[in-house]
Amino acid sequence: QSALTQPASVSGSPGQSITISCTGTSSDVGGYNYVSWYQQHPGKAPKLMIYDVIHRPSGVSDRFSGSKSGNTASLTISGLQAEDEADYYCSSYTSSSSLFGGGTKVTVL
Amino acid sequence: QVQLQESGPGLVKPSQTLSLTCTVSGDSISSGSFYWSWIRQPAGKGLEWIGHIYTSGSTNYNPSLKSRVTISIDTSKNQFSLKLTSVTAADTAVYYCAREGFYCTGNLCSKNWFDPWGQGTLVTVSS
Repeated sequence: QSALTQPASVSGSPGQSITISCTGTSSDVGGYNYVSWYQQHPGKAPKLMIYDVIHRPSGVSDRFSGSKSGNTASLTISGLQAEDEADYYCSSYTSSSSLFGGGTKVTVL
Repeated sequence: QVQLQESGPGLVKPSQTLSLTCTVSGDSISSGSFYWSWIRQPAGKGLEWIGHIYTSGSTNYNPSLKSRVTISIDTSKNQFSLKLTSVTAADTAVYYCAREGFYCTGNLCSKNWFDPWGQGTLVTVSS
């Protein structure tokens, strides 16, 4: 099993929208609608932001949205804010186990 | 509010066994619709799923670690544990425990989401 592929970094100015991609295969991202996204600030545990591709847990800002096309899932952050600066990880179900992406550092310019 | 807390030695010698316990509070570990998972993160690197266990004791492991990993559960103590044998420096990481959601209602299923997480515990493998 190889890790899911994410860009190492994405940046944007306050108020802008950014999108983070998460590319897998037909055996993971493309085969199931079980992709989740996590936000991790330095020294902290990851926080669930999106589950089942598109669903937001209670308490997560509606500025965060998820989608999927084929073998690639995406996380979009709209109205970028300084507090969104963090690392973001995707995860996909695959055949009774889970895979994570390598992580994307989001920088707010 | 469910909370998870990892505990165990912070330093393990090479070739020995890493042992960690996760204590769950605010919910019964025997409640359905959840797996109980271990995930690790080497310094400056990404997350790696280690494996999970269901209340019944059924387990699944990361294929790359399967030969060295054992996850067990103690419902009487509301705890689950991780053992990783024959450790090397490559096993040095922050180890997290997390609740992993899954359920199916008719044809509608939800799975592979981790929430909440413990605060993490750093385990260093060094002589």
